Amino acid sequence: GAGVSQSPRYKVAKRGQDVALRCDPISGHVSLFWYQQALGQGPEFLTYFQNEAQLDKSGLPSDRFFAERPEGSVSTLKIQRTQQEDSAVYLCASSLTSGSLSYEQYFGPGTRLTVT
Amino acid sequence: QQQVKQSPQSLIVQKGGISIINCAYENTAFDYFPWYQQFPGKGPALLIAIRPDVSEKKEGRFTISFNKSAKQFSLHIMDSQPGDSATYFCAASRDSGYSTLTFGKGTMLLVSP
Repeated sequence: GAGVSQSPRYKVAKRGQDVALRCDPISGHVSLFWYQQALGQGPEFLTYFQNEAQLDKSGLPSDRFFAERPEGSVSTLKIQRTQQEDSAVYLCASSLTSGSLSYEQYFGPGTRLTVT
Repeated sequence: QQQVKQSPQSLIVQKGGISIINCAYENTAFDYFPWYQQFPGKGPALLIAIRPDVSEKKEGRFTISFNKSAKQFSLHIMDSQPGDSATYFCAASRDSGYSTLTFGKGTMLLVSP
């Protein structure tokens, strides 16, 4: 079956531009996570959705970062006024339920954002 | 504060050898410890995972060893193959109703033919 998909796969933005990154989770998955992976580092948590509700946004690095999942499926991560330090791979992951026994997260291929 | 520390940063192993990657954690509330494998241009993929009620879990050539008192866990890859060449991440999460993963910094493994 189809896995998690993300688009675009690559995005080059000039400093100050706004960008929108899309995530299509596995159909029926309740939980959706966004992670940021800097070059040579492990992924770091940004935000979490349970269906359409954003339950945790503690990892968002600044108020320039905004995420939504209005219908509980597709999610968009928006970065306003991009800065060079925003350059990273943005990973989306989904899991079947929000219950404590469902830890397996399925990751998409990521969007590589380069801010010039 | 780095909650999950991973070592080594890189590792070269000959084909057929044993690859060993170590991780240590600080938060005693963590109760789920997965290992992820990531190939270039791909997202991380779950390889194997363990919970602290057991000290070892084996799946094929991959084994996790877990030491709760030392707050350490490790991945052993037996009979390493060139196709195992990838970046490996340990991670940890706690039972909070949803499982946000805290990752180590990764180990780049190269298995030489």
